[in-house]
Amino acid sequence: GIQVEQSPPDLILQEGANSTLRCNFSDSVNNLQWFHQNPWGQLINLFYIPSGTKQNGRLSATTVATERYSLLYISSSQTTDSGVYFCAARGRGAQKLVFGQGTRLTINP
Amino acid sequence: DSGVTQTPKHLITATGQRVTLRCSPRSGDLSVYWYQQSLDQGLQFLIQYYNGEERAKGNILERFSAQQFPDLHSELNLSSLELGDSALYFCASSPWTSGRSHYNEQFFGPGTRLTVL
Repeated sequence: GIQVEQSPPDLILQEGANSTLRCNFSDSVNNLQWFHQNPWGQLINLFYIPSGTKQNGRLSATTVATERYSLLYISSSQTTDSGVYFCAARGRGAQKLVFGQGTRLTINP
Repeated sequence: DSGVTQTPKHLITATGQRVTLRCSPRSGDLSVYWYQQSLDQGLQFLIQYYNGEERAKGNILERFSAQQFPDLHSELNLSSLELGDSALYFCASSPWTSGRSHYNEQFFGPGTRLTVL
């Protein structure tokens, strides 16, 4: 089945900094989603982005399906951005989302 | 708020016991998925139902079972619990389940945190 790898595993930044999180996937996808898991454990949908570019406020994402990677950009980081960011992909013909191991982002004031 | 509800939020029980986790999908969603998040295994897919029928199975233990009822809510039953079953269990839902469409986007509930003592 499809494999998903995220980098870096940990990222520590100061408030106001920008960051780029990467997700590599091993096969063609029908579904690629980015999530933020907050300190209470809740998984918040950020983007559904099997291809192309989307923006939502300070967050944007780009998926280059032909090269099998996706990037999540966070600009002007705030302490509330802290948490774990997951990328998850669903391969063609599959039903399930396969999650990466996540990137733990810590934003210090 | 994703629109997916899960009960209970927390569950503490003893080894050998049986518990039932409940999930109500977003209004109109036919597909329900169960995932387990543990420290050592990360987030893993357990099982999926679509309009009452089992559609896909992941690494779900034989001690675990699930079903989706006519009103589309789903229950995950965990029996003969072991310490290693302690985890966060998520339910997710989506309108569809195949092809490439935003109707396949999965939305997650708040999770049930299970602690087995």
